[in-house]
Amino acid sequence: EIQMTQSPSTLSASLGDRVTITCRASQSINNYLAWYQQKPGKAPKLLIYKASNLENAVPSRFSGSGSGTEFTLTISSLQPDDFATYYCQQYNSFSPPLTFGGGTKVEIK
Amino acid sequence: DVQLVDSGGGLVQPGGSLRLSCAASGFSFSVYAMSWVRQAPGKGLEWVSAMSGSGTDTYYADSVKGRFTISRDNSNNMLYLQMSSLRAEDTAIYYCARAEYQLLSCFDYWGQGTLVTVSS
Repeated sequence: EIQMTQSPSTLSASLGDRVTITCRASQSINNYLAWYQQKPGKAPKLLIYKASNLENAVPSRFSGSGSGTEFTLTISSLQPDDFATYYCQQYNSFSPPLTFGGGTKVEIK
Repeated sequence: DVQLVDSGGGLVQPGGSLRLSCAASGFSFSVYAMSWVRQAPGKGLEWVSAMSGSGTDTYYADSVKGRFTISRDNSNNMLYLQMSSLRAEDTAIYYCARAEYQLLSCFDYWGQGTLVTVSS
């Protein structure tokens, strides 16, 4: 099973800050990495797929990068709507299980 | 618009059974693989099970293998999760989710979730 480790688990930031979240895989997953945003009481929302591809209608301040085992999600200028929990997910090798990172909660500083 | 509506959750005793449903609309349901993903209270996301669009291929997490069964009715655009021998650790919100482009993939649409509580 491929383990996904996110850091930090909590992040305090101010409006307008540049925010970076890291996700590390226990083995190479090529670019098969997705990022989701989840707000309290809501389902997750896909932001990024295949490591760096922006999902339709997702603001361009979100970006993803990385390959192999290390990936990052960057928010270029934090907006009020961005305070949420973010998860990474790997889907490499098309074999189960699919696995998620533990999540990063972005809080208001 | 794509819509997934989860239902069927509730309170069940340990060892009991429950069937979850997911009603899909706004897309060609039989073309897409679907999964169930769960989230224990205050915890992260855990993939549970996946089924191909045709229903011929299925996968399960080890934690539910042999206890849960995924199925679908493409004529009625429905996805199901039959859960049996339920344990306290199965308590979670269960989401159905549409695979973005293949059976084991990321998920581009999610249901609103249905809460399953396993407790005596």
